[in-house]
Amino acid sequence: GESVGLHLPTLSVQEGDNSIINCAYSNSASDYFIWYKQESGKGPQFIIDIRSNMDKRQGQRVTVLLNKTVKHLSLQIAATQPGDSAVYFCAENSQAGTALIFGKGTTLSVSS
Amino acid sequence: DTAVSQTPKYLVTQMGNDKSIKCEQNLGHDTMYWYKQDSKKFLKIMFSYNNKELIINETVPNRFSPKSPDKAHLNLHINSLELGDSAVYFCASSHSVNQPQHFGDGTRLSIL
Repeated sequence: GESVGLHLPTLSVQEGDNSIINCAYSNSASDYFIWYKQESGKGPQFIIDIRSNMDKRQGQRVTVLLNKTVKHLSLQIAATQPGDSAVYFCAENSQAGTALIFGKGTTLSVSS
Repeated sequence: DTAVSQTPKYLVTQMGNDKSIKCEQNLGHDTMYWYKQDSKKFLKIMFSYNNKELIINETVPNRFSPKSPDKAHLNLHINSLELGDSAVYFCASSHSVNQPQHFGDGTRLSIL
């Protein structure tokens, strides 16, 4: 698998590899975090979310890890497929809890 | 059976004109949002409505005015369009705050 340091704008992997996309969030009071996938010409699509009372949550081929100590969030994609190619965004709830604050996206490119 | 639908998908207009973007959701959600995505893919919240009432108004010029005729609709009217308004505008909805938001496919606004 391939991992990246804290927010790189692009990540290129081979089909079948595991991908790790990292994100640093800004507000230590944030208690809700979410990952979105955005394909070209489409709106962001929900992948997985996690609340601050958890440090790990798994979905289908995806895992989100939350490290509140260093305010770090990561998305792991197992057995990455060409269809996973997209821009991935992390988001945290705002201070008032009324909207999401999005991070800078990471463009994932999967080659076969 | 589109969950969040926006119209139009593309909007090309002259500087100084007034235009509207419509958004409808059929998910029964109470909260709706407008986001702006710039050319660098950065997504920023503009407005948030809960049960037809405004709960967030970020630092958006007064030329932008949201209108929520009912819980299922949140329209965005823009007066005196400027070049800097060129962007993709996304509507989203959620059951409540701190719940996954579902996005429309965006309206690409181009100002000539």
